[in-house]
This record gives sequence, C-alpha cells and structure tokens, in this order.
Amino acid sequence: EAGVAQSPRYKIIEKRQSVAFWCNPISGHATLYWYQQILGQGPKLLIQFQNNGVVDDSQLPKDRFSAERLKGVDSTLKIQPAKLEDSAVYLCASSFSVDTQYFGPGTRLTVL
Amino acid sequence: AQRVTQPEKLLSVFKGAPVELKCNYSYSGSPELFWYVQYSRQRLQLLLRHISRESIKGFTADLNKGETSFHLKKPFAQEEDSAMYYCALSADSNYQLIWGAGTKLIIKP
Repeated sequence: EAGVAQSPRYKIIEKRQSVAFWCNPISGHATLYWYQQILGQGPKLLIQFQNNGVVDDSQLPKDRFSAERLKGVDSTLKIQPAKLEDSAVYLCASSFSVDTQYFGPGTRLTVL
Repeated sequence: AQRVTQPEKLLSVFKGAPVELKCNYSYSGSPELFWYVQYSRQRLQLLLRHISRESIKGFTADLNKGETSFHLKKPFAQEEDSAMYYCALSADSNYQLIWGAGTKLIIKP
C-alpha cells in the first residue's frame, strides 16, 4: 500500500512569511497527526484529527498555526506568519487502529 | 507529568557487541510503550511495542514497571542497526504519543 505522502519536502522562507504543508494519509486511516520535530528533540504533537474532527490541538500555537482536514482525508498545516523558532521538520502520521502510527517523510522548514 | 527520557543522545558500539538503549518514563497509570526507529534517509517507523512482547530484527524490550523503564536490547549488534531510536509512551484514551529525544546508535565495523 502507498505510504503517507507529504509535500513539499523542503521549504525555505523568511520570517513573517506564510507557508503551508500538505499531507495525504494512508487510505482508510481515520486518524491523522501533525508533529513538529525540532533538531535534537523528539516529535511534538501539534494536532490530532479523527476523520475531519479535531481530537486535540492543545499544543498548536493557534495565533500563527492552523490546520484543517476538510473531507476527512488530506490535511493542510499552515503557519502565518512564520518565526525563526518554527524552523523544524513537520511530520504527518496516520493510523487505522489505536496503536501503530505510519509516518510521512516530513517537510523540513527553514525560516531565515 | 508524563515524560519519556532517553539519557543517551549517542551510543556507539562495535559490531557483534551487545546493545542497550535506555528509556525511562514517568506515568502513574498503565502505559503502553513503543520503540520507533529512523534509518538514514528513511521515515520514522515502528520497531516494536511492549504489548506484542515480540522480537523484531533481534531487538527486544521489557517493560519494568518498578523501575519505570523500557530499555531496548540486542545481544549482537549489526551495522544495519545504525539509526536513530525513539522511545514513546501512550498514556491516554486518544493514544497520543509522548516521545523521548532519541538516541543515535552507531555500530562500528
């Protein structure tokens, strides 16, 4: 089966610019996660969707970050405006059952 | 607070030597623990979970509730084991994972 797809793979922007990331989960996976992974740290959950509803977005900086999963399949994560500290790898993962999460390749964001 | 600690950022061992990657957790209930691995230029993937009690690629991990640990072990390291290893804890009904900072394992020839 096809894995989790993410695009773009790399993005370089200047601070205060906007950026959007796209994720296509594995077909049939109801749960979708967005993580932020800063260099030298483990992934940090930003938001979890169950179908098109938000399960948890408590760690999403809502003043600048937004995410949606309108039809319960693809998802987009947006940052507006970006700050230097947003430089990280943004990981998307999906799961069918409650255990294994399947990860995409990630998007490496550099904010200058 | 729920926390996962991997005390070693880097672990370097020779091929054929035993490997132990340490993971300690902080959680008062009954956790589910996982080990995920990321090989060079590959995506993060599940290696094993404590509920399965299985051996994957020669690796095993035993949950020690008394010591709140879930160390990953392999008796004889192979060069292809070189990777980044993350320990993760699932501690609520939403099955969200709390991650350690990871340990980079290097197997020297």
